[in-house]
Amino acid sequence: TQLLEQSPQFLSIQEGENLTVYCNSSSVFSSLQWYRQEPGEGPVLLVTVVTGGEVKKLKRLTFQFGDARKDSSLHITAAQPGDTGLYLCAGEGETSGSRLTFGEGTQLTVNP
Amino acid sequence: NAGVMQNPRHLVRRRGQEARLRCSPMKGHSHVYWYRQLPEEGLKFMVYLQKENIIDESGMPKERFSAEFPKEGPSILRIQQVVRGDSAAYFCASSPIGTGGYGYTFGSGTRLTVV
Repeated sequence: TQLLEQSPQFLSIQEGENLTVYCNSSSVFSSLQWYRQEPGEGPVLLVTVVTGGEVKKLKRLTFQFGDARKDSSLHITAAQPGDTGLYLCAGEGETSGSRLTFGEGTQLTVNP
Repeated sequence: NAGVMQNPRHLVRRRGQEARLRCSPMKGHSHVYWYRQLPEEGLKFMVYLQKENIIDESGMPKERFSAEFPKEGPSILRIQQVVRGDSAAYFCASSPIGTGGYGYTFGSGTRLTVV
C-alpha cells in the first residue's frame, strides 16, 4: 500500500511570512499533484510534476519533485490571507494505474 | 465550458435506503474517478471508469456499492442499504486521458448523510 505523509498537518502564520509544506513517501510516483480544497468544495488542481528534480513556479508558489520521485514540497512566499485553505498532495503510483493516493492534507491559515 | 457537475450537492438518506450519486464529467473527458472523503480523513480512491467499462474498482467496498458510466448520461455511484458509516463526501473527478500526468478536475462533491 502506498502512503503519502504530509507535514505539517496544521500551519498558522502571519501575512507576509514564508512557509513550506512537505509530502513524503517510501514509494516512487510517476507523477505528483498538488491540490487546494476549500470548505464544502472539491479539490482544485494547482500543479502536476512528473520529472524527478522538477521545479514549477506558480506566482508565489514553488513546487518541487524530489530527484527519486518519492517526495515533494510546496513553498509559499509572502503568504496572504487568500492562501488560507487545505493543501493536498496526491501521487500516481508507477504500478497503480490512474489511482491517486492522497496525503492527509495541510490546513493553512494565514492571519492578516 | 462547465466543469465536473455532481448532483445532488447534499443527500440525506435513512438507514437501509438507496443513495444514487451522479457525475457528469467535463466536456471531452471520457475518464471518470470516484473518491470518498470520510470525516477527519483524506480522500480515498473508490473506482475508475471509462464509458461502459469499469477499469479499476479496487477501492470499492465489496458489498452494497456499485458504479457505472453508461454510453449516454452521467456516471452513477450507487449505494444500497446505506448505513451510518457511509456518511461522507463523495467526489467525482474526470480527465481527458487515463493518467495523472495531465491532472484531474474534481466536482464539488455530494455530501451524504445517513440518519
